[in-house]
Amino acid sequence: EAGVAQSPRYKIIEKRQSVAFWCNPISGHATLYWYQQILGQGPKLLIQFQNNGVVDDSQLPKDRFSAERLKGVDSTLKIQPAKLEDSAVYLCASSQEEGGEQFFGPGTRLTVL
Amino acid sequence: AQSVSQHNHHVILSEAASLELGCNYSYGGTVNLFWYVQYPGQHLQLLLKYFSGDPLVKGIKGFEAEFIKSKFSFNLRKPSVQWSDTAEYFCAVNGLGATNKLIFGTGTLLAVQP
Repeated sequence: EAGVAQSPRYKIIEKRQSVAFWCNPISGHATLYWYQQILGQGPKLLIQFQNNGVVDDSQLPKDRFSAERLKGVDSTLKIQPAKLEDSAVYLCASSQEEGGEQFFGPGTRLTVL
Repeated sequence: AQSVSQHNHHVILSEAASLELGCNYSYGGTVNLFWYVQYPGQHLQLLLKYFSGDPLVKGIKGFEAEFIKSKFSFNLRKPSVQWSDTAEYFCAVNGLGATNKLIFGTGTLLAVQP
């Protein structure tokens, strides 16, 4: 069974630039999550999708972050414009149902200079 | 609001030593509990989980965890660690019926010396 795929694996940008991350969940998983993991902390949920609908985006900084899952499969997370404090690993995860076991991708390490 | 506390940020052990990593959470309702592990250079993967039933759960690689509801705890244990257990360990809690959001602790970095 293929795991959760993410790209790119690494990204370096300057502040005020924009960046986008892509995630392909495990086939058949209806729930998709984006997490932000800052160095020294645990992952923090940014947004959760159930199919192509948003379930929870309460911790997404909506003035600069956006995410979509148009066809209920792949998802993209965008930051525009980036700030220094956005430097982190962005993790995508998926699960068969809400509350169930989540499977994580390798993450994208973002450095904002 | 839900929260998860992991008491040990860094743990250094010698091979064959016993391991116990503490995890406490704050949520009064039903919970699903997880321990995830991240080996160097690899992605987060599930070590074990508790949804219901026997509060002593066994996971991969000889790990186990005990859910003590009265203490709001879900401590991770292994009787004899190996060098290959060097990794970062995260406790996570999903408070069912609340936000169905997985809340992670800050992680414990375990270094096992050969």
